[in-house]
Amino acid sequence: QQQVKQSPQSLIVQKGGIPIINCAYENTAFDYFPWYQQFPGKGPALLIAIRPDVSEKKEGRFTISFNKSAKQFSLHIMDSQPGDSATYFCAASMSSGTYKYIFGTGTRLKVLA
Amino acid sequence: DTEVTQTPKHLVMGMTNKKSLKCEQHMGHRAMYWYKQKAKKPPELMFVYSYEKLSINESVPSRFSPECPNSSLLNLHLHALQPEDSALYLCASSPSGASNTEAFFGQGTRLTVV
Repeated sequence: QQQVKQSPQSLIVQKGGIPIINCAYENTAFDYFPWYQQFPGKGPALLIAIRPDVSEKKEGRFTISFNKSAKQFSLHIMDSQPGDSATYFCAASMSSGTYKYIFGTGTRLKVLA
Repeated sequence: DTEVTQTPKHLVMGMTNKKSLKCEQHMGHRAMYWYKQKAKKPPELMFVYSYEKLSINESVPSRFSPECPNSSLLNLHLHALQPEDSALYLCASSPSGASNTEAFFGQGTRLTVV
C-alpha cells in the first residue's frame, strides 16, 4: 500500500513532443505529490507538486494532472527540449506520516533534437 | 534561496577509513534528511532529523552515524564501509515536520569505497 508505481521506465520523444509520465498509488492517505527531475550525477530538483484538492497544476511547460478517484497522477512536458532529457521521479507523502517521501521507480526521458 | 550544499562532491575511501559527509542549508528548514541512491534507482531514505532530533532511522547499519549539530547542519559519519556502500549520498531539507511539504535536495556526494 505504500508503493508508488511509475511508468514507463524509459521514454524517447522528438523535440517539441509531449512526453507523459504516469504514477499510481494505493494509499488514500497520501496528500502531497511532487515530481523531481534528476540529471546524471546531480541531486533531484523539485519540479512541481500537487495536492488532492486540485485536478491540474501548471508551472511553465510542466503540468501535473491528478485523478483522485483513480488514484493516479501524471506529468506532461509541453514543447519538450533536448535539455529536458533527464530522469523523472514521482513521489507521494502524507501529512500524518513520518517525513517519508515514497518515490516511484523513475522514468528516463530522452528528447531527440 | 532554495539551496542545500553538500561537501565533498566526490569521496574515495578505503574500508578502514573514517570520513564525514557534510550538509548545510540556510532556508530555516527544520527537517533534514539523508538519502542513499544507487545508479538507476530512486533515492532511499536513511535518516530523518526533525528539530535537530533523530526521528527516523531506516534500519541503517551502524557504520553510518548521523549527527545534527544545529538546525542548519547535518553530518554523516562513515566508518568501516563496504564496497557495496558506494553510491550517491543525498541530503535534503524541508520546511517543517510535516512530510507533505517541499523537500529540497543537495547535489550529493559521490562515494566510492575501495
